[in-house]
Amino acid sequence: AQKITQTQPGMFVQEKEAVTLDCTYDTSDPSYGLFWYKQPSSGEMIFLIYQGSYDQQNATEGRYSLNFQKARKSANLVISASQLGDSAMYFCAMREHNFNKFYFGSGTKLNVKP
Amino acid sequence: GAVVSQHPSRVICKSGTSVKIECRSLDFQATTMFWYRQFPKKSLMLMATSNEGSKATYEQGVEKDKFLINHASLTLSTLTVTSAHPEDSSFYICSARKQGPDTGELFFGEGSRLTVL
Repeated sequence: AQKITQTQPGMFVQEKEAVTLDCTYDTSDPSYGLFWYKQPSSGEMIFLIYQGSYDQQNATEGRYSLNFQKARKSANLVISASQLGDSAMYFCAMREHNFNKFYFGSGTKLNVKP
Repeated sequence: GAVVSQHPSRVICKSGTSVKIECRSLDFQATTMFWYRQFPKKSLMLMATSNEGSKATYEQGVEKDKFLINHASLTLSTLTVTSAHPEDSSFYICSARKQGPDTGELFFGEGSRLTVL
């Protein structure tokens, strides 16, 4: 079974609108962390946001927020007020702390239209 | 889906020794592989880009002589941390891009956790 599933290979959003990128995960490790990374065409991986499995509140970082629904095992990324510079690949990832594994999803390519 | 395997998943070594981490694409050929290091603040730093049959391209600030990268075949890239020190302790992750038209798809290994005592 896939550990991290990103079902949207590509997404379009109008500039200034909000967009949600989906991510579901699968683990039996009670302690894990969820990450979102942005990869522009340059290839670097830019860390966006982190959610720990024991965190009670959803993580937020500026225009990024993580909609963490533990029972559903989902960790969707919400980008508010999209900007042209947000066009990039977005990867959801999970690190299992006890099992010591790091898993990435297949990525979602986001295109922001002017 | 395409599978990338890293080995070992966890390694503990003494300061001053060298450690080799392998990254294999199990069911596809990868002309390009990437090596990343995860830092405590969760950022994932691209260390180098490894191209089969040629020298790796290192990012600024990454010591070539310390982090030796070899991409000897279309399915294997290795990262050797030479003369490891405690500050090299980290999670190292590789990713691979399939040979062929560049669709932008990347496939990631499960990471290798290095602890240097």
